[in-house]
Amino acid sequence: DTGVSQNPRHKITKRGQNVTFRCDPISEHNRLYWYRQTLGQGPEFLTYFQNEAQLEKSRLLSDRFSAERPKGSFSTLEIQRTEQGDSAMYLCASSLARQGIQYFGAGTRLSVL
Amino acid sequence: AQSVSQHNHHVILSEAASLELGCNYSYGGTVNLFWYVQYPGQHLQLLLKYFSGDPLVKGIKGFEAEFIKSKFSFNLRKPSVQWSDTAEYFCAVPAPNRDDKIIFGKGTRLHILP
Repeated sequence: DTGVSQNPRHKITKRGQNVTFRCDPISEHNRLYWYRQTLGQGPEFLTYFQNEAQLEKSRLLSDRFSAERPKGSFSTLEIQRTEQGDSAMYLCASSLARQGIQYFGAGTRLSVL
Repeated sequence: AQSVSQHNHHVILSEAASLELGCNYSYGGTVNLFWYVQYPGQHLQLLLKYFSGDPLVKGIKGFEAEFIKSKFSFNLRKPSVQWSDTAEYFCAVPAPNRDDKIIFGKGTRLHILP
């Protein structure tokens, strides 16, 4: 499978714990995006990378959230001190710069108890 | 700022009925326009896109959409739906003057009765 891969698919955690998600983009894609999707809403942009540079962070991304793409390939999204409001589907997408089409992974569903 | 409005949150149709899902956006500059679909248990995938040229674009599985610049609209249509079209449909538009940040509508959940 050469699509966007996300792990884990599901994560259940207790409030206050830290969690980390991983995204492996399509190999030749230089842009990588993170979105959050809650019930009844479309995906909301969180942040994106071009190669290893993080070019934009949404106001939705509080200080508890951090994303990295250290070698311009896979990316991680970490949430520290999780809160119940963090429960959502976290989506990753990738694209070629200026192509305009983003390809999505299956997402990681986070449940904070 | 760009915003995307999808008028129908939940649509129920019988097989063979015609479908039209509304989408309006707020920023009137040159835009690329997208419809994404999410089938049950699957990831978001591109249904069709408009970048330039013929405002009537055709996508996969018999879907089409028409870009009407004067109405800031990009409605999705299908003449005859099938049970397998049951899915959630998202209209999406880039933020103004951006090719990297996409704004999604809230989605329309389509349920086709067999």
